[in-house]
Amino acid sequence: DAKTTQPPSMDCAEGRAANLPCNHSTISGNEYVYWYRQIHSQGPQYIIHGLKNNETNEMASLIITEDRKSSTLILPHATLRDTAVYYCIVGGGSEKLVFGKGTKLTVNP
Amino acid sequence: GAVVSQHPSWVICKSGTSVKIECRSLDFQATTMFWYRQFPKQSLMLMATSNEGSKATYEQGVEKDKFLINHASLTLSTLTVTSAHPEDSSFYICSGKWGQETQYFGPGTRLLVL
Repeated sequence: DAKTTQPPSMDCAEGRAANLPCNHSTISGNEYVYWYRQIHSQGPQYIIHGLKNNETNEMASLIITEDRKSSTLILPHATLRDTAVYYCIVGGGSEKLVFGKGTKLTVNP
Repeated sequence: GAVVSQHPSWVICKSGTSVKIECRSLDFQATTMFWYRQFPKQSLMLMATSNEGSKATYEQGVEKDKFLINHASLTLSTLTVTSAHPEDSSFYICSGKWGQETQYFGPGTRLLVL
């Protein structure tokens, strides 16, 4: 079973920041938080991951709470092409990635 | 990020035939490869994990004699769906990673069994 909880859907206006929350209250000390997204009929695309520090790359920022029980993925300036299902997954390292249902983000013009 | 390819991207076959799907890591060596399948409007379900040179480990409920996985090199894994039936129609996605590094996914293969 997936170890994360995400809202099933969210909407965002084009050009605004999209903030996608994820709860992972049972995360263990050596587990990472990964974010992937899946655009319709394609394979998942890696976005970002982190252990306990906040992370930023060219695609997004990842904010992890100090107790590591939740995180937020931030797309700073959402575009229509960011419409996708976003998956927050806990695991990595030697562990397999188990996908939950994700959040369907719709970016509106 | 690293690139994973799959071939074919889609395939249509008759019931009872076997279908082979290839998964290649193009710019990295994948010590571990994974196979997932995804039914319409559902999330990805892990089918099996394979380490190069070893037998694959299958998830509960996945028939190892029906879904044959070979991971003979660090850049290639194959999934063969044997005696395919219409209920095997799905979107099959592979992924690979090097050691403990990030897992990268292929574009998927859509299988339709008539």
